[in-house]
Amino acid sequence: QQQVKQSPQSLIVQKGGISIINCAYENTAFDYFPWYQQFPGKGPALLIAIRPDVSEKKEGRFTISFNKSAKQFSLHIMDSQPGDSATYFCAASIGSGNTGKLIFGQGTTLQVKP
Amino acid sequence: GAGVSQSPSNKVTEKGKDVELRCDPISGHTALYWYRQRLGQGLEFLIYFQGNSAPDKSGLPSDRFSAERTGESVSTLTIQRTQQEDSAVYLCASSLWTGNSPLHFGNGTRLTVT
Repeated sequence: QQQVKQSPQSLIVQKGGISIINCAYENTAFDYFPWYQQFPGKGPALLIAIRPDVSEKKEGRFTISFNKSAKQFSLHIMDSQPGDSATYFCAASIGSGNTGKLIFGQGTTLQVKP
Repeated sequence: GAGVSQSPSNKVTEKGKDVELRCDPISGHTALYWYRQRLGQGLEFLIYFQGNSAPDKSGLPSDRFSAERTGESVSTLTIQRTQQEDSAVYLCASSLWTGNSPLHFGNGTRLTVT
């Protein structure tokens, strides 16, 4: 019940295409859902985050779609670029107001081909 | 400004030895977190500090793991009697406070136990 399940494990997209990564959770106490981007040898960096009272949030080419009833959320990367090639992690906060204590998905390795 | 700094960046140790991993958070950040990332896996929460206190140590895998923070700044994660299953990247993150404040990760310490 404390897990966040992420898919696919890896993804190859052509430059200019849309990359879509999905996550699902069980615990309805989760109340904060961030996405992190990680390049090899670097720590993860926050991309975008959403709360369950919002169904969609967009920042530039990155959009989170959130489906509270289905307990699913997804990251869409529009106009994918080779520089977007990285590992992406979804995560969820267990609540209690601490948005730094996170349960992470297993990660998706994205390769954008030029 | 300077980000989260971790040292050493790489550490190779023999099974049974003790190791200390250091984290220098962003100045002024009151919250500090330790996560572990096994190869090809998502991040696992270990412990977090609010100031110098550790309200939540629930992620520490065993009593061989301990951490402290001093001066509301530097933190040290200590692993005693290291085992091969301790091999992982240990990531430190800091944030301004624990609520609705993004995590800023360091680049991690890659620990290899031989």
